[in-house]
Amino acid sequence: DAKTTQPPSMDCAEGRAANLPCNHSTISGNEYVYWYRQIHSQGPQYIIHGLKNNETNEMASLIITEDRKSSTLILPHATLRDTAVYYCIVRGYSGNTGKLIFGQGTTLQVKP
Amino acid sequence: SQTIHQWPATLVQPVGSPLSLECTVEGTSNPNLYWYRQAAGRGLQLLFYSVGIGQISSEVPQNLSASRPQDRQFILSSKKLLLSDSGFYLCAWSVRGIENTGELFFGEGSRLTVL
Repeated sequence: DAKTTQPPSMDCAEGRAANLPCNHSTISGNEYVYWYRQIHSQGPQYIIHGLKNNETNEMASLIITEDRKSSTLILPHATLRDTAVYYCIVRGYSGNTGKLIFGQGTTLQVKP
Repeated sequence: SQTIHQWPATLVQPVGSPLSLECTVEGTSNPNLYWYRQAAGRGLQLLFYSVGIGQISSEVPQNLSASRPQDRQFILSSKKLLLSDSGFYLCAWSVRGIENTGELFFGEGSRLTVL
């Protein structure tokens, strides 16, 4: 699975959009980009995933560049409850295992 | 709907004592099951995963073992705890096979302190 690079920390003002970048320059054609977040002392929570096209759900939007070497997770109107560690993970077909390997992630601090 | 339960939520154990953490999943069958650990200030480390009863794969060598005696039950154990075993232990499940979308569902975690 391709390696990802994320900034260790970011700040965002409450009510503004939070844009979390992720570099995955070695991604291969069959690998998906996944985003999870972990609020302090809780288990990680799935946010969104995509392959090539931009994706949007009720939580966030995922923008993947045309060359697929980087992506951005967008929280359109960040709230204090969005303060968490955000993980960007790249994974191809995992066979029967479904396992995910987490990196260090980005700690997002939403400030009032 | 599917739910995942982990217990105990918190425990404090002396060095050299045994450990047993239990995880059960409800509302699904034939899940993949996982144990992750998060040491203080560190990222999530995959310890074990299982694709079926009695099938355990270890990701890192360590002082811990896992077992899956039933389809929806996953147990993490140690015979003798070390200080370095302290951390936040998370159980997770996912759909098995080609329907797997990469989404993992995590339990609420068990916080272990070894003194």
